Amino acid sequence: QQQVKQSPQSLIVQKGGIPIINCAYENTAFDYFPWYQQFPGKGPALLIAIRPDVSEKKEGRFTISFNKSAKQFSLHIMDSQPGDSATYFCAAAWALNDYKLSFGAGTTVTVRA
Amino acid sequence: DTGVSQDPRHKITKRGQNVTFRCDPISEHNRLYWYRQTLGQGPEFLTYFQNEAQLEKSRLLSDRFSAERPKGSFSTLEIQRTEQGDSAMYLCASSFFLTGPKDTQYFGPGTRLTVL
Repeated sequence: QQQVKQSPQSLIVQKGGIPIINCAYENTAFDYFPWYQQFPGKGPALLIAIRPDVSEKKEGRFTISFNKSAKQFSLHIMDSQPGDSATYFCAAAWALNDYKLSFGAGTTVTVRA
Repeated sequence: DTGVSQDPRHKITKRGQNVTFRCDPISEHNRLYWYRQTLGQGPEFLTYFQNEAQLEKSRLLSDRFSAERPKGSFSTLEIQRTEQGDSAMYLCASSFFLTGPKDTQYFGPGTRLTVL
């Protein structure tokens, strides 16, 4: 069964807009939540990751918000650019499970110029 | 900086044939993971190694699949008697489990398998 639920499946924003992707999980053992970016024909590339002891993390234009009590986390892409058009995957893992990643189904983001 | 490499990048085969994929991890990484990604889905875990030891195989990995990492460096994934349902992108990832960020996995570009 899918351990991480991701939404929406796709979204379109104008350049400069803020696409927001949401993920939810059930397994409270998860202690590592990365986001990966994937372009067509390429492997996923790590974008940013967060641990549950932090509620927000920013790296450049990418921000993760984490709500431990709701078991939800989200990715915000600030000042989005056409080059950000890609598929984004949230994932979750935990140390005692050797960090085997459970991925969401992915969100295709299109940023229009 | 040589990241994770995979070979071949694309493979087209006929149903019933055997195929083998290779993954070369980042050189000092001692953990190596295989995932499978079908169209429109996120990657799914298949198996992983620490050095040359295979630590776990997912239920997704039928008896037709076998993976090795003979000297704790590169790894191979073999699929015997391929079926059309095996068509997918096969991704390899590596991480450094001794020191540094144990959790960070770096992915290769994948091998796209098409079974006709």
